[in-house]
Amino acid sequence: EVQLLESGGGLVQPGGPLRLSCAASGFTFSSYAMSWVRQAPGKGLEWVSGIVGGGRTYYADSMKGRFTISRDNSKNTVYLQMKSLGAEDTALYFCAKGRGSNIRDFEYWGQGTLVTVSS
Amino acid sequence: DIQMTQSPSTLSASVGDRVTITCRASQSISRWLAWYQQKPGKAPELLIYDASNLESGVPSRFSGTGSGTEFALSISGLQPDDFATYYCQQYETFSTFGQGTKVEMK
Repeated sequence: EVQLLESGGGLVQPGGPLRLSCAASGFTFSSYAMSWVRQAPGKGLEWVSGIVGGGRTYYADSMKGRFTISRDNSKNTVYLQMKSLGAEDTALYFCAKGRGSNIRDFEYWGQGTLVTVSS
Repeated sequence: DIQMTQSPSTLSASVGDRVTITCRASQSISRWLAWYQQKPGKAPELLIYDASNLESGVPSRFSGTGSGTEFALSISGLQPDDFATYYCQQYETFSTFGQGTKVEMK
């Protein structure tokens, strides 16, 4: 059974950093692309970043330079390092597994970790 | 970035109705499109991928059509469990979601 468990969310001061983690199980982690998708309170889904099986990374334009996605295949974990956080980054951050090694549809989702940016 | 525009934003319907949600891409995405259902407080669930392929376990009343820039999700015989918000997602270039369509009870 595929499971994705996000962690690392919480309250962070404006301008501060935060690192999210997503521990995966139930599939051959290194073979699949993984993405982060966020949802601000009461708003729609926004794709944040993805990392393919080969390690290449991709970002939504508004996240470039502030967010860094990475993966540790030995730990079956994908990370999202965020910096210079602002109120607009307050959201529920989901980890999602792609169907294949490239970024495409998301078969499985975690339950999300909440990031609140506030002083 | 490829922009995805869904319509309508809200749809009022009754149990048993056939409903259709449309999604337009700002440029051709071939058939690289998925549809998701999301209920309050829950993660999205994949319904359709590659424009018209039904994800395993999804009821056959859900169907997807389209290619290029115009796509549609149809639900034939709306069930009480189908009242939710639906999103399209392109994955031709990275990924982008539509703004969502809320299907509410009339």
